[in-house]
Amino acid sequence: DVKVTQSSRYLVKRTGEKVFLECVQDMDHENMFWYRQDPGLGLRLIYFSYDVKMKEKGDIPEGYSVSREKKERFSLILESASTNQTSMYLCASSLFGAKNIQYFGAGTRLSVL
Amino acid sequence: AQKVTQAQTEISVVEKEDVTLDCVYETRDTTYYLFWYKQPPSGELVFLIRRNSFDEQNEISGRYSWNFQKSTSSFNFTITASQVVDSAVYFCALSSIIQGAQKLVFGQGTRLTINP
Repeated sequence: DVKVTQSSRYLVKRTGEKVFLECVQDMDHENMFWYRQDPGLGLRLIYFSYDVKMKEKGDIPEGYSVSREKKERFSLILESASTNQTSMYLCASSLFGAKNIQYFGAGTRLSVL
Repeated sequence: AQKVTQAQTEISVVEKEDVTLDCVYETRDTTYYLFWYKQPPSGELVFLIRRNSFDEQNEISGRYSWNFQKSTSSFNFTITASQVVDSAVYFCALSSIIQGAQKLVFGQGTRLTINP
């Protein structure tokens, strides 16, 4: 069965903290993605990676960075969390190619106080 | 630029009614893929269907059906005889290859509430 696991369902952090969101997939997928979901805005792509140690900016990369040291793991990093980064974060993975289905994790709801 | 519009922000119907969720997209690509995902209260997006731009045949899967019309750039989703378990947020998405990598552009989502 397809599995994308996000390490936390809920996180509460303070402004200025460094925050790590972890995502692991067990499908040997090349592509991994981080999205942010906000009401009325749908899902917006933050960063994606199509191979180990490779990363590409999405539509809203400002304030975020990523790390992909192993194929199965993709980390999203908030270098200095701010209140406007309070949101739902969703990780996804897929095989390479436009036709391929992206499989999603359950999401991490992050609150920055 | 790629764009997906789901004009209906929220829909509320009574159980057993039929309901259609609209999706309109914009792209200059000749080859592209369209998707529908369901997001139940648990939060995880669940894949429902994929359509490629060369296949305009409508599809039916149980109570779900999809109407793809390239002429109007629409990919609408109909639930027949809705049930309370259909309550969720539904997303339409457009996929293409940009700079060698896949990119999904999502609509804003439609929150569907089925009332008993």
